[in-house]
Amino acid sequence: QKEVEQDPGPLSVPEGAIVSLNCTYSNSAFQYFMWYRQYSRKGPELLMYTYSSGNKEDGRFTAQVDKSSKYISLFIRDSQPSDSATYLCAMRDSSASKIIFGSGTRLSIRP
Amino acid sequence: SAVISQKPSRDICQRGTSLTIQCQVDSQVTMMFWYRQQPGQSLTLIATANQGSEATYESGFVIDKFPISRPNLTFSTLTVSNMSPEDSSIYLCSVVSGVYSYNEQFFGPGTRLTVL
Repeated sequence: QKEVEQDPGPLSVPEGAIVSLNCTYSNSAFQYFMWYRQYSRKGPELLMYTYSSGNKEDGRFTAQVDKSSKYISLFIRDSQPSDSATYLCAMRDSSASKIIFGSGTRLSIRP
Repeated sequence: SAVISQKPSRDICQRGTSLTIQCQVDSQVTMMFWYRQQPGQSLTLIATANQGSEATYESGFVIDKFPISRPNLTFSTLTVSNMSPEDSSIYLCSVVSGVYSYNEQFFGPGTRLTVL
């Protein structure tokens, strides 16, 4: 079993829709949860991160962590064609510098 | 933030040869990481490279296959040695800017390697 599981997609939605991206994990020691966005032929870039459980909002993006279920989500409101990319969840425990990445979900926003 | 460049951006190599990938950062950084990203797979950490010390390799990766140099705080190289088609992948370097910034890694654009 992988430490972090993520549906690879692809996921295609119309412009303006709300997008929900999810990951599950098995290591209860994870404390930091991140979402990276990767455009084609580019390196990943950090979108946002949260510590422990709860929600965090940044503009059209909301990250949600449910540690009891070992489940994290990223919601994108009013999705735009420019949001089309691969989204990778990532996480680490507080004692380590190493980040464990999900395999990424490929998202396409149709104009 | 940090701006990272990698050379080459892509290469096609023959089985049994070696390729050295360069990673240049526009500022001094303490920690640099080398990752491999295969199609449909997650980013897999190969090793952590700190200036002035030997690189630390993850399980499944060895120095003889992936030697790393870190001569200063802005530069590192990763060599993929004695290549086989299974080494075909995208190789990325990344950095963190400080010990309190582990969550935010800045990535280079990657080197796309194809081994025939």
